[in-house]
Amino acid sequence: RKEVEQDPGPFNVPEGATVAFNCTYSNSASQSFFWYRQDCRKEPKLLMSVYSSGNEDGRFTAQLNRASQYISLLIRDSKLSDSATYLCAVRGSARQLTFGSGTQLTVLP
Amino acid sequence: GAGVSQSPRYKVAKRGQDVALRCDPISGHVSLFWYQQALGQGPEFLTYFQNEAQLDKSGLPSDRFFAERPEGSVSTLKIQRTQQEDSAVYLCASSLVFAGASGNTIYFGEGSWLTVV
Repeated sequence: RKEVEQDPGPFNVPEGATVAFNCTYSNSASQSFFWYRQDCRKEPKLLMSVYSSGNEDGRFTAQLNRASQYISLLIRDSKLSDSATYLCAVRGSARQLTFGSGTQLTVLP
Repeated sequence: GAGVSQSPRYKVAKRGQDVALRCDPISGHVSLFWYQQALGQGPEFLTYFQNEAQLDKSGLPSDRFFAERPEGSVSTLKIQRTQQEDSAVYLCASSLVFAGASGNTIYFGEGSWLTVV
């Protein structure tokens, strides 16, 4: 079983839709959680950190459920420009991030 | 520099050739990571440097892979006797302070795309 798992998708949604991604992690000692966005043939870029209390940044909401060991990302009012691959990342006691395989989102006009 | 810079951006190597991939982290960044990303997969950790010290190389897939950061800034990832399964994007990332510090953002370069034929 991979340490961080995501549904690869693809998710194809119309503009304006709300879409949610989940990510599960296996290491209960994980300490930090993140969502990254990766455009085609580009590098991953930090979208947002995920805090225990949940956090929101504009149309994006991230939540953490430590008991069930999953994190989620909700995108409201999807824009065409939201089309990308969304990677969840987890850091435990080690220094590096462990990434999921990514969820591909396409927002359709 | 403005961001993490990697070179070459694209490299085609014949099987058995040695390759060297360079990473220029953001100036002053202490931590440097190398990741390997295969098509359709997330980045997989290879190795981590804090300044010039290689503190973790647990992700290097074989002894054909070697990384160095001799002066604590530029880093080179070397792959000897390349194999087809080495074809991937090699991403370098850096962060200002030691990895694991609260609020420490990791910035990625655009990657070096390696194709072994």
